Amino acid sequence: AQTVTQSQPEMSVQEAETVTLSCTYDTSESDYYLFWYKQPPSRQMILVIRQEAYKQQNATENRFSVNFQKAAKSFSLKISDSQLGDAAMYFCALLLTQGAQKLVFGQGTRLTINP
Amino acid sequence: KAGVTQTPRYLIKTRGQQVTLSCSPISGHRSVSWYQQTPGQGLQFLFEYFSETQRNKGNFPGRFSGRQFSNSRSEMNVSTLELGDSALYLCASSLGGRNSPLHFGNGTRLTVT
Repeated sequence: AQTVTQSQPEMSVQEAETVTLSCTYDTSESDYYLFWYKQPPSRQMILVIRQEAYKQQNATENRFSVNFQKAAKSFSLKISDSQLGDAAMYFCALLLTQGAQKLVFGQGTRLTINP
Repeated sequence: KAGVTQTPRYLIKTRGQQVTLSCSPISGHRSVSWYQQTPGQGLQFLFEYFSETQRNKGNFPGRFSGRQFSNSRSEMNVSTLELGDSALYLCASSLGGRNSPLHFGNGTRLTVT
């Protein structure tokens, strides 16, 4: 079975500073994708960034980057220059490449941005 | 391109009733999956449909069912509602391939009283 664990229920950061959200996962598969999704109060789950397990290079999307450690099964999200609009629930998710598209989500981290 | 559309946004039902939720995927997307989100259990996979066929099902009782139409629109049905079915139900669509990201709708908030 696949599991995803986010050990930080809540995090807060000052506007313009950098914050890192942690995620660990477990799977016996070697081929998979990892994602960070953001869920603001509007409820819509928005894709922030994704990482293919076969790629060693860490994914980057503007102010968002990941630190993917495959051997340690760790996938953290770094948000640089935090903005008020970054405040949301952040979910780490795992998707296996075989079979149906089924995301396994972590419990989420609520990120607060302090002005 | 229009995003994933879920209707209705809010629903209030009574225990024992049944409910049908609707999801219209992004144009061209053939995969639709459903997730239940609750404060206690988090986000849990319900099922996924691809070209009208259910490809996978999560660990939910048979009261939860779904279907997909030829235009890729999907419906989810819950019969004999229980208080514990109160949740946000999210629908996601994708092209269905291994490299296809999932795009989510705004969800349907179901309250069972």
